[in-house]
Amino acid sequence: DIQMTQSPSTLSTSIGDRVTITCRASQSINTLLAWYQQKPGKAPKVLIYGASSLESGVPSRFSGSGYATEFTLTISSLQPDDFATYYCQQYDSFPVTFGQGTKLEIK
Amino acid sequence: EVQLLDSGGGLVQPGGSLRLSCAASGFTFSTYNMNWVRQVPGEGLEWVSAISDSGAESYYADSVKGRFTISRDNSKNTLYLQMNSLRADDTAVYYCAKSFHSRWSQKFDSWGQGSLVTVSS
Repeated sequence: DIQMTQSPSTLSTSIGDRVTITCRASQSINTLLAWYQQKPGKAPKVLIYGASSLESGVPSRFSGSGYATEFTLTISSLQPDDFATYYCQQYDSFPVTFGQGTKLEIK
Repeated sequence: EVQLLDSGGGLVQPGGSLRLSCAASGFTFSTYNMNWVRQVPGEGLEWVSAISDSGAESYYADSVKGRFTISRDNSKNTLYLQMNSLRADDTAVYYCAKSFHSRWSQKFDSWGQGSLVTVSS
């Protein structure tokens, strides 16, 4: 199975901050990686797919990059609505696997 | 608008069975692969199972293989997860999720609202 390791697990941030979350895959997944945002009591929502493609309707302050085993999600200027938990997901092969999540907290 | 409505969750004793349903609308259900993903409250996401658009192919996480069965009824636009021999560690919110395409290796672009399954005596 492909292991997905996210860091950090928790990030204390402020409105307007630039935020970067890292995801590492245990083997190459090319660009078959997605990022999801989840708020308490809600289903996840896809933000980025194909490592760097922005999902329709997602604000442009979200961006993704990376290839093979190293990936990042960047929020250019954190907004109040962005405080949530973020997960990376590889969909290169079964079993599909997720990172353990990164929770953004208000500093 | 794509809508996925999860149902069928509840309290079940260890060793018992439960069938989850996911009613789909707003898209041509029979042309998309579908998935189940679960989440223990307060913890991360775990993919459970996937099924092809026709229902001919299915895949499972090792943790549920041999106990859970994914199926679909394209005439009713409904996805199912039959869960047998349930254990306490199966307690979670179960989400159905739509794949972006009928090919494998796709993002999950729409999710149900989730259905809570609690396994306890």
